[in-house]
Amino acid sequence: QQPVQSPQAVILREGEDAVINCSSSKALYSVHWYRQKHGEAPVFLMILLKGGEQKGHEKISASFNEKKQQSSLYLTASQLSYSGTYFCGTDGNAGNMLTFGGGTRLMVKP
Amino acid sequence: NAGVTQTPKFRVLKTGQSMTLLCAQDMNHEYMYWYRQDPGMGLRLIHYSVGEGTTAKGEVPDGYNVSRLKKQNFLLGLESAAPSQTSVYFCASSTLVPGQSGLDGYTFGSGTRLTVV
Repeated sequence: QQPVQSPQAVILREGEDAVINCSSSKALYSVHWYRQKHGEAPVFLMILLKGGEQKGHEKISASFNEKKQQSSLYLTASQLSYSGTYFCGTDGNAGNMLTFGGGTRLMVKP
Repeated sequence: NAGVTQTPKFRVLKTGQSMTLLCAQDMNHEYMYWYRQDPGMGLRLIHYSVGEGTTAKGEVPDGYNVSRLKKQNFLLGLESAAPSQTSVYFCASSTLVPGQSGLDGYTFGSGTRLTVV
């Protein structure tokens, strides 16, 4: 079953922060986050494994709460280059078969 | 450059025609996948392969067939194209054990935009 992402869209000014949430109805082994720019392929940002770890990648970090079956992506001090659609992908059984959410469209304005 | 290469990039088919999309990866990845992306629906898994000679159905397999005769190639076939198969198709590959090195995610190809008229 497809994970649910929220919000569906967000508009930011440069320097503002944003949080994107990903919620699943089933138990999760891992959560992936990807960013896709218009007309391009999705690009891998980070993976979080079962265990509640939090990871960081420059000014983009994420958390994974396996009990709540939720993950959140945090974008701090947003830059114009952060614009795009963000997808979470969830894996329920360590088989590395991802089910993707519907995406969150992020637009960063000057 | 290492990565996933998809051909063709664009294609227009008439209803009932057949075609094959080719995906090639040079990263020695075990797992390969075919997804379709439609507006507002994210990425949906069509078929996948966990190694040379193996294939399995994903979430939306009807109307598609796949083959993985060589480890580096994963072919997606449409036997009789329908307008409902108009979409952007992405191939992806990944390593066998997700997250072991901390770097492993899917590597996607640049996509094939298919229009069936």
